[in-house]
Amino acid sequence: GQNIDQPTEMTATEGAIVQINCTYQTSGFNGLFWYQQHAGEAPTFLSYNVLDGLEEKGRFSSFLSRSKGYSYLLLKELQMKDSASYLCAVRDSNYQLIWGAGTKLIIKP
Amino acid sequence: IAGITQAPTSQILAAGRRMTLRCTQDMRHNAMYWYRQDLGLGLRLIHYSNTAGTTGKGEVPDGYSVSRANTDDFPLTLASAVPSQTSVYFCASSEDSHTEAFFGQGTRLTVV
Repeated sequence: GQNIDQPTEMTATEGAIVQINCTYQTSGFNGLFWYQQHAGEAPTFLSYNVLDGLEEKGRFSSFLSRSKGYSYLLLKELQMKDSASYLCAVRDSNYQLIWGAGTKLIIKP
Repeated sequence: IAGITQAPTSQILAAGRRMTLRCTQDMRHNAMYWYRQDLGLGLRLIHYSNTAGTTGKGEVPDGYSVSRANTDDFPLTLASAVPSQTSVYFCASSEDSHTEAFFGQGTRLTVV
């Protein structure tokens, strides 16, 4: 079967750095996405990785290792508005997105 | 305003009733999707359409149907609602099946 694993919840301090991990087992791989979802709102696109390595976009970076079936999302200089759920999704061999259950990130002052 | 719009925002529905959730996008995206999101679970694909005139079944299609008569609209119909269909439903679209998806604001459906 296909499976995406992420921690259920993480807590971090404002101004700090946090790393959210995602491991996957899917039938084929055609890219990995990270989305942010604030409570009661729609998911919004953050990043996309299809090749191994680090993609940096402002305070957010995403890393991929295809051989390990592993990705992480790194958030720097945390702000209170970063409190949200972060969803990892993998596009499989049929180009369908398989979603993790999401990681709820709580930022404390 | 460019984007993807869902209606209604929320609905309470009696079991056994028929209901259509509407979704419209004005980005001229080829691909559209319907997901349901339940607490503790990832988004689950109900149905999808890679281009106007075609549809496909996702992970959890039973009890739902869709149509894609044109590029912009992708309605989701529950023929006879059951309480297990209580969920938040998200419509999404993407330029094609290879690019990132953009989501509507969601429809919170409660079947009683």
